[in-house]
Amino acid sequence: SAVISQKPSRDICQRGTSLTIQCQVDSQVTMMFWYRQQPGQSLTLIATANQGSEATYESGFVIDKFPISRPNLTFSTLTVSNMSPEDSSIYLCSVPGLGSEAFFGQGTRLTVV
Amino acid sequence: EDQVTQSPEALRLQEGESSSLNCSYTVSGLRGLFWYRQDPGKGPEFLFTLYSAGEEKEKERLKATLTKKESFLHITAPKPEDSATYLCAVQAGTGGFKTIFGAGTRLFVKA
Repeated sequence: SAVISQKPSRDICQRGTSLTIQCQVDSQVTMMFWYRQQPGQSLTLIATANQGSEATYESGFVIDKFPISRPNLTFSTLTVSNMSPEDSSIYLCSVPGLGSEAFFGQGTRLTVV
Repeated sequence: EDQVTQSPEALRLQEGESSSLNCSYTVSGLRGLFWYRQDPGKGPEFLFTLYSAGEEKEKERLKATLTKKESFLHITAPKPEDSATYLCAVQAGTGGFKTIFGAGTRLFVKA
């Protein structure tokens, strides 16, 4: 199983600002995924990040709001831009295992005030 | 549309009181059904993958089963440390590696 380090683990941010979340994996992976988990709700996929190409965004998520970088096979960042209180959530990065299961980082708990 | 529904939303058990969590799914061609455990403030932790109806997997006090429409996570003689949110997820045969998650069942086990 992959070991995924995600930081920051939590942050409190002012509305209108941006936060960049980092995700580091201990092995090379082709795909990395970014999820959002709002309080009491299920995980929702934001985008899939492939190294060497632009991220693929799910319906309801746009690159201007959630720009993603994937500079190499072990690292990715997700930026939450121009934040509002509605962006308060847990953000998780994930990589697939050999059997298509997912391994997750510990998450970033974001509070926008 | 691919969909995953978990029930109940919350379950309170006494230590030793066995029970089951349900995961109903609708998916176009099931590639795999997954169970995860999530503790507060942490990311989900992978438990099981089930691929076809009739398959069963076990790990300590947990046993996962799969039919064509639903999966059950049976918890035998639970302990307080089993308290967590249990998430069910499915991956369809189409759409790459996209995984659809249910909202989870919050399990509380009282000593």
